[in-house]
Parts: sequence; C-alpha cells; structure tokens
Amino acid sequence: QQQVKQSPQSLIVQKGGISIINCAYENTAFDYFPWYQQFPGKGPALLIAIRPDVSEKKEGRFTISFNKSAKQFSLHIMDSQPGDSATYFCAACNSGAGSYQLTFGKGTKLSVIP
Amino acid sequence: DTAVSQTPKYLVTQMGNDKSIKCEQNLGHDTMYWYKQDSKKFLKIMFSYNNKELIINETVPNRFSPKSPDKAHLNLHINSLELGDSAVYFCASSQEGLGYADTQYFGPGTRLTVL
Repeated sequence: QQQVKQSPQSLIVQKGGISIINCAYENTAFDYFPWYQQFPGKGPALLIAIRPDVSEKKEGRFTISFNKSAKQFSLHIMDSQPGDSATYFCAACNSGAGSYQLTFGKGTKLSVIP
Repeated sequence: DTAVSQTPKYLVTQMGNDKSIKCEQNLGHDTMYWYKQDSKKFLKIMFSYNNKELIINETVPNRFSPKSPDKAHLNLHINSLELGDSAVYFCASSQEGLGYADTQYFGPGTRLTVL
C-alpha cells in the first residue's frame, strides 16, 4: 500500500525552465510534508517543507504548493539549473501519532540540460 | 564536522554472514532512524529509536536488530545475510518535539552487497 504517490518518475527540463513534481497522499492524518533532495552517492537532504495550515511556501527558487482538499502537494523549481539535477522525494508524516515516521514517495529523477 | 556519520561506507559480504553498520550523530538529537533504499531508489523506514527506546519497527525480518547504546548512536546488526538484503542503508536523526515533526538529517549511507 503506497500512501504517497509521486509523479513523474523522471523529468528532463532545459536550463532556465520550470520543474514541477507532484505528490498525492491518502492519509488525512498527515500533517507535515517535506521534500528531500538526493545527489548520487549521498544521503537525502531536506530541501523545503510545509504544514497544512498554509497553501504555499517559497524558499528561493523552490516553492511547495499544497492543496489540502485534493490531498495533493507539488514542488516547483523555478529557473532550473544543471546543479539541480538530482532525485527528489516527497514525504509525509503524521506527527500526531508520536512516531514521526516519514512515508516517502518513490522519487523523481530530475535532469536539467544546458 | 559530520552531523550524521555511518561506517562502513561499503560492505561486501557472502550470504549467511553476520554484519553490523554503525551510526553516530553529533547533533544532540533524541530520535534516530534506519532506512533502506532499494535498487529502484525507494526509501523505506525500518526502525526508529527515541532516547534509546524502539518506537517503530516496520515489517522487518527479525534478522535485523537495531541497538542503541546511547542516544547518539544507533547500530544495525544483520544476521544470516540474504541476497535481498543488498541495498543502501541510511541512518538519520531528528529532534522531535511533542506532536511536532521536524527535519531528519541523513547520513551518507552504507552500500551493502550480498554475494
């Protein structure tokens, strides 16, 4: 049972373009939605996160859009750069359950071509 | 100054052997985790420890046993290794408040190959 569905599986974007990755979740108890970035051979690192009391959060070129009623959230990377090429994971957590367990999407491999 | 460190980085071993992976965090966090990342990059939680106490144990074979000697360390011991155990194992840590999830910091990973 996959509780967080992520798409697309891979994405190729030209330098300067907008990269968009989408996630959908099923568990309405989820209350924390982070995005992690992973470069080859490295561990995932937090990129940006949102809680359901806001519909959008922006940090530099990275924006999360959150739609609570649709149970969807997405990552937008503006002015994509070759250095953004990595695998991106959305995740969700039910912190009220006390375990802070992250459920990850299956990842999106982003390639930004010059 | 490595926040979350793991040793070894690579581990190649034969089926049936027993091996351990060590993890240490110097962030002062209360909660530590072990994740498994398979060949398709799927990340799945295995264990979570809070203040040396197990709070998550997903459907992981009992050949896997986490051990936390103190809150800065969470080691993973694997008995009777199988081919399907080949994966990258990540340790992570976080500082969780009551009902408040926060950033999990991941280690660099240990690539386990079972021959």
